[in-house]
Amino acid sequence: GDSVTQMEGPVTLSEEAFLTINCTYTATGYPSLFWYVQYPGEGLQLLLKATKADDKGSNKGFEATYRKETTSFHLEKGSVQVSDSAVYFCALRGQGGSEKLVFGKGTKLTVNP
Amino acid sequence: EAGVAQSPRYKIIEKRQSVAFWCNPISGHATLYWYQQILGQGPKLLIQFQNNGVVDDSQLPKDRFSAERLKGVDSTLKIQPAKLEDSAVYLCASSRQGIETQYFGPGTRLLVL
Repeated sequence: GDSVTQMEGPVTLSEEAFLTINCTYTATGYPSLFWYVQYPGEGLQLLLKATKADDKGSNKGFEATYRKETTSFHLEKGSVQVSDSAVYFCALRGQGGSEKLVFGKGTKLTVNP
Repeated sequence: EAGVAQSPRYKIIEKRQSVAFWCNPISGHATLYWYQQILGQGPKLLIQFQNNGVVDDSQLPKDRFSAERLKGVDSTLKIQPAKLEDSAVYLCASSRQGIETQYFGPGTRLLVL
């Protein structure tokens, strides 16, 4: 079945550092790919998405490119802030059939001032 | 636009007791999802409704879990009897029919002692 593997955390960075969180997936066909973020005490929020190969999703300075050849959707940000501290989840929605999201285990990011 | 509402936010029960969670989706969203998020893991879909019909309940432990969405709006998820391994955050999400983006509520944190 469909699955998502993402970089294990936790990740601790200093403010203004470069962030990469790796995400790879296994799925048939052409799934849609998502990054969700969960801030402390809050629900999951959609951060960005990409629906076809070579699409780049971007939001709040975060970017991720849908790479079909490497089945990857790595999350990047050039300069993190303390307010980016959260848990980040990579997810996919399979092509056709159920609309359910399949999530990775999440990566906790802590940014220190 | 009001977000997805869930209650209660926290619940502590003893094993073999029953518990119910309530979710009110965003107005106009025909699709409603219940996810279970065990500590350290990504959310896992339990059941998906389209209006008041079940689309996918393949991962719902039907011997103890039940869910309904009688009028196609709000929904209730019940566990009876609860087991220790049911300790988790139960997330409700909703989306417009045919639209990929799912909006999540804050979740109900359940602790089974």
